Amino acid sequence: EADIYQTPRYLVIGTGKKITLECSQTMGHDKMYWYQQDPGMELHLIHYSYGVNSTEKGDLSSESTVSRIRTEHFPLTLESARPSHTSQYLCASSAHGSYEQYFGPGTRLTVT
Amino acid sequence: ELKVEQNPLFLSMQEGKNYTIYCNYSTTSDRLYWYRQDPGKSLESLFVLLSNGAVKQEGRLMASLDTKARLSTLHITAAVHDLSATYFCAPPCTSGTYKYIFGTGTRLKVLA
Repeated sequence: EADIYQTPRYLVIGTGKKITLECSQTMGHDKMYWYQQDPGMELHLIHYSYGVNSTEKGDLSSESTVSRIRTEHFPLTLESARPSHTSQYLCASSAHGSYEQYFGPGTRLTVT
Repeated sequence: ELKVEQNPLFLSMQEGKNYTIYCNYSTTSDRLYWYRQDPGKSLESLFVLLSNGAVKQEGRLMASLDTKARLSTLHITAAVHDLSATYFCAPPCTSGTYKYIFGTGTRLKVLA
């Protein structure tokens, strides 16, 4: 059973606010990922990390930033939210040497 | 440009019928994943296909991989309502990497 958590699950916030989406996993996985998914659409990789202090941008350009100071924690930050950031954000993790990803429950973000 | 195309995008079928979902990809990957997503939920791993010719079965679902043709199939046998969901295929971006590109998704609706 994979244990990967995301908070908040739902967030409605005004334009210009700074927000941080939290993602934590208790499995000791070295790889972590952030995906963005619009309703009914495919997932797009926006950030990934292969370990502590290692982060890379994904294939979809994003104004968000991430950090990986601890193995279990991979927060995503938007300095100034805009309506175009409205989407679902999914966090995933994967064990060392494994290709299988475990997904968190997601954060549904609405920027008004 | 790396692409993963699924067809059909939408599938409405009667209970008890059989159907196949196709996943064509342009990466050079030797493995591929299938995921299921229920409406408003996160992704659940269904199958891990790790080599050319791999076939996996779970209940009424069977997945196969042909890396030479860059094609994976997800076959549904005697569909039931509980299989209604969106199904995504995801090969790694390139062989040996841990980054994935997700297919467009196939939204399956099984009618009672």
